[in-house]
Amino acid sequence: DTEVTQTPKHLVMGMTNKKSLKCEQHMGHRAMYWYKQKAKKPPELMFVYSYEKLSINESVPSRFSPECPNSSLLNLHLHALQPEDSALYLCASSPPGTGLEAFFGQGTRLTVV
Amino acid sequence: KQEVTQIPAALSVPEGENLVLNCSFTDSAIYNLQWFRQDPGKGLTSLLLIQSSQREQTSGRLNASLDKSSGRSTLYIAASQPGDSATYLCAVDDTGNQFYFGTGTSLTVIP
Repeated sequence: DTEVTQTPKHLVMGMTNKKSLKCEQHMGHRAMYWYKQKAKKPPELMFVYSYEKLSINESVPSRFSPECPNSSLLNLHLHALQPEDSALYLCASSPPGTGLEAFFGQGTRLTVV
Repeated sequence: KQEVTQIPAALSVPEGENLVLNCSFTDSAIYNLQWFRQDPGKGLTSLLLIQSSQREQTSGRLNASLDKSSGRSTLYIAASQPGDSATYLCAVDDTGNQFYFGTGTSLTVIP
């Protein structure tokens, strides 16, 4: 099983809403990532969790709050987002520190209205 | 921080042609380089992974090479098909858990 599953696939939320994106993998990977991708741009790294601890935060605004409750799950909590936060949010996983293959989910298409 | 560039930004070829996509990066101390394919509005599909000790990898009609000293990788696609139309992204991992993406090449294969 080389699948990374993201839910929901699509999400529309208002600027005052609170919502969460979910990501799950069962490959035993202990590094998990959130990326943000705007239209016609490459993915940009937001957060990295290594062994369930936040290891990288690429200066992401606090309205995005990541959480890694266990080695298989990664959440991204959203609150008071702006329309410019509308994007495709991608989750990925890999074995940390090994240089082995990373796998990506199909993404959540987020629209902030 | 790695800067990863891909040339060309867009490419349109007739079906059956062989083609080469280029990826360059600024810091040669890398763990690996991975090539991905992305269809419009979709996630990333891994195509090939080249670890830092390797020079090339092959999968079917795809061949990827890596020259760390010059900071370059190429993805060769043989006998292109309309189904190959997509955006191709290279990603460099220079810490073991931090991927930097290139700017992408949008490929259109014309039937």
